[in-house]
Amino acid sequence: KNQVEQSPQSLIILEGKNCTLQCNYTVSPFSNLRWYKQDTGRGPVSLTIMTFSENTKSNGRYTATLDADTKQSSLHITASQLSDSASYICVVSAGNAGNMLTFGGGTRLMVKP
Amino acid sequence: EADIYQTPRYLVIGTGKKITLECSQTMGHDKMYWYQQDPGMELHLIHYSYGVNSTEKGDLSSESTVSRIRTEHFPLTLESARPSHTSQYLCASSFRGGEETQYFGPGTRLLVL
Repeated sequence: KNQVEQSPQSLIILEGKNCTLQCNYTVSPFSNLRWYKQDTGRGPVSLTIMTFSENTKSNGRYTATLDADTKQSSLHITASQLSDSASYICVVSAGNAGNMLTFGGGTRLMVKP
Repeated sequence: EADIYQTPRYLVIGTGKKITLECSQTMGHDKMYWYQQDPGMELHLIHYSYGVNSTEKGDLSSESTVSRIRTEHFPLTLESARPSHTSQYLCASSFRGGEETQYFGPGTRLLVL
């Protein structure tokens, strides 16, 4: 069964600090991995997408890494801002017909002043 | 920002009522999706469509039904709402092929009393 597990479940950091969120997956065959940001009461918004051959991808202060051998990904947030408070969801796409997505449970990040 | 819209944003109804959640997108995407998400939990796919007159059930069993008569429109209907249907419903769309990044609507929060 395809699964995506994220850690920690929740995280509180001070404004300006860095943090790293983790994602482990068992999805086969692997197609790509996305990180989404979901603000409370809103739909998720795509931050990054990485395929099998990509190790890292950045989007502003967000940097995602992928280790396809160990099936792990991380999302690093640099110099956090209050607006970074949200849930961050790791989503893995299976490389089969339909490219169905498997969603992680998300990490709820709160940035405090 | 994605051009995908959902109405209503919030809905409180009594048990046994029939409801339709609307979703429309103006991006010309051929694939559309409905997800159900309980507070603080992961998204679960309940319906998807590859194009006009195409509808499929997702991973999570749902008593709702969908239709795709027009490319831009993908409504979800509950014939007889129950308290167990209380949840957030998120609609998404994507182009077929390529990265197939899904763009999400803002969601409909449904409360069935």
